[in-house]
Amino acid sequence: DGGITQSPKYLFRKEGQNVTLSCEQNLNHDAMYWYRQDPGQGLRLIYYSQIVNDFQKGDIAEGYSVSREKKESFPLTVTSAQKNPTAFYLCASSIGGTLGDTQYFGPGTRLTVL
Amino acid sequence: SQKIEQNSEALNIQEGKTATLTCNYTNYSPAYLQWYRQDPGRGPVFLLLIRENEKEKRKERLKVTFDTTLKQSLFHITASQPADSATYLCALVGGFKTIFGAGTRLFVKA
Repeated sequence: DGGITQSPKYLFRKEGQNVTLSCEQNLNHDAMYWYRQDPGQGLRLIYYSQIVNDFQKGDIAEGYSVSREKKESFPLTVTSAQKNPTAFYLCASSIGGTLGDTQYFGPGTRLTVL
Repeated sequence: SQKIEQNSEALNIQEGKTATLTCNYTNYSPAYLQWYRQDPGRGPVFLLLIRENEKEKRKERLKVTFDTTLKQSLFHITASQPADSATYLCALVGGFKTIFGAGTRLFVKA
């Protein structure tokens, strides 16, 4: 059963804590992405990776960090430096990082800061 | 700066009618335009892609048009069903960059 999974579905964090969101895919895709979705706004790109051991900042990378040690995995850490982390986080993958590649999204993680 | 606009107001239509959603953009020349469907609390699901040199693309009950002069795409669902109720996102693709709109919520009443 191929696809992209994210865990946990819901995550609660106290202010000042770092949290890590998991994203795994078994589609054999080279490229992976992290987006943030807020009400009334389009998806905003946080980080993307076109290949293992390489990643690039997106439009809103401040306060976030990622790693890409395996092709299948692209975890996102939300650090205490992120001032407004409460949001819906979406991970996606595509066959390659080329123009027009369809992105396949995971089910999302809803992060709430208490 | 690049801007993509979708109607923020929800669209309510009766079952069996055609739903038409609009996506307008400025300060951008995308090579592709994509449409995704998103259900509440779920990730978006890809529906259709249309290239800049294509005027229209169809898939079953879905039809997308792309007018690069008007900088606008229209997304049509014919013979709409309550199961079509969802948020529909348009996305512009140019360079290695995809810009997503905020989406339009569609409600189809039985």
